[in-house]
Amino acid sequence: EVQLVESGGGLVQPGRSLRLSCAASGFTFRDYAMNWVRQVPGKGLEWVSAITWNGGSVGYADSVMGRFTVSRDNAKSSLYLQMNSLRPEDTALYYCAREISFGSAWHLDSWGQGTLVTVSS
Amino acid sequence: EIVLTQSPGTLSLSPGERATLSCRASQSVSSSYLAWYQQKPGQAPRVLIYGASSRATGIPDRFSGSGSGTDFTLTISRLEPEDFAVYYCQQLRTFGQGTKVEIK
Repeated sequence: EVQLVESGGGLVQPGRSLRLSCAASGFTFRDYAMNWVRQVPGKGLEWVSAITWNGGSVGYADSVMGRFTVSRDNAKSSLYLQMNSLRPEDTALYYCAREISFGSAWHLDSWGQGTLVTVSS
Repeated sequence: EIVLTQSPGTLSLSPGERATLSCRASQSVSSSYLAWYQQKPGQAPRVLIYGASSRATGIPDRFSGSGSGTDFTLTISRLEPEDFAVYYCQQLRTFGQGTKVEIK
């Protein structure tokens, strides 16, 4: 069974940093690109970042470009999101999600339960 | 930058009725990268449809997707009580704002 478990969220002051982790199990982690998606409670979904299977290519939403860094450790089956210079508008539930990307089958097929980040003084 | 606009914002229907949800892209997009998700309160999103019209594993056949270019549709043929939720379309790195399907 595919499992994705996020951790590392919490309350942080504006301008500070936080590192999120996503522990993967039940599949061969190194075979898949991974994504981070966030959701302000009660609001819609916002794509944040993605990383290819080997970390060779990454992408970011304009709203986090230059402040967030995505990385992965395939040996540990783990995905990370380093968040610097945090702003109140970064407050959200952060999900990691596995990407399926072959042929006409692109989608995010497995999601964790999310970790809540609250940016407030 | 592609913008996905979902309509209506809220759909009020009764169990057994048909639901038709729209997702319109600001420019033509590849159907290969168009997916639909369902999200219930307190839960992570779940993929329903990918490639605009292919049902994900385990998704009942009352859910169907169609469309191409800029206009895509998710149809729920007969609403079951468990289908009342929020639905999002996604095209690669962009999500629509969601359509809430609520009990009338």
